[in-house]
Amino acid sequence: AQSVTQLDSQVPVFEEAPVELRCNYSSSVSVYLFWYVQYPNQGLQLLLKYLSGSTLVESINGFEAEFNKSQTSFHLRKPSVHISDTAEYFCAVLGGRGSNYKLTFGKGTLLTVNP
Amino acid sequence: DGGITQSPKYLFRKEGQNVTLSCEQNLNHDAMYWYRQDPGQGLRLIYYSQIVNDFQKGDIAEGYSVSREKKESFPLTVTSAQKNPTAFYLCASSIGGSLHFGNGTRLTVT
Repeated sequence: AQSVTQLDSQVPVFEEAPVELRCNYSSSVSVYLFWYVQYPNQGLQLLLKYLSGSTLVESINGFEAEFNKSQTSFHLRKPSVHISDTAEYFCAVLGGRGSNYKLTFGKGTLLTVNP
Repeated sequence: DGGITQSPKYLFRKEGQNVTLSCEQNLNHDAMYWYRQDPGQGLRLIYYSQIVNDFQKGDIAEGYSVSREKKESFPLTVTSAQKNPTAFYLCASSIGGSLHFGNGTRLTVT
């Protein structure tokens, strides 16, 4: 079975400060890893994903995440946040055939950026 | 524009009534999913379908039913057997592992 742990349920930061949202996973098979963002009363949008290759992946709006196989982590970082980054962020893991290709989500981290 | 349409956005029902949530996609994706979202609990998988006329139970299927008669459509029925139906319901489709989500339906049962 696979699982995802997001270590912080809420992260308040000031505008232009750096932020790290932590995500650890467990899986008995090779995994693909994702970060999704959800704005209030909307669905989730894909932020970035790791499928293979370079362990550092980037999004178009300045977020990045690094796949660390030895630490089974996929933490999300941004060097300088904006007010508009306020949202809930979900880490997710997709296992291979053994998991029937199901996507498992963490419980989410609410990022609040204050002026 | 391609995407996933969930309707209605808000839905109110009395306890004991069945209710069907609509999900339509024009992305030509084979796989479709229903998730339930409750505050602080993340997303939990209700049902998923990888191909027309076939679907599987997810982690919390009790009290729900689905059908997949067309590739574009994956309606979810919340039955009176679901003990705690008030929640935010999200439909998604996928290709290559990445999910594309609709904007959700917020169901309130009183």
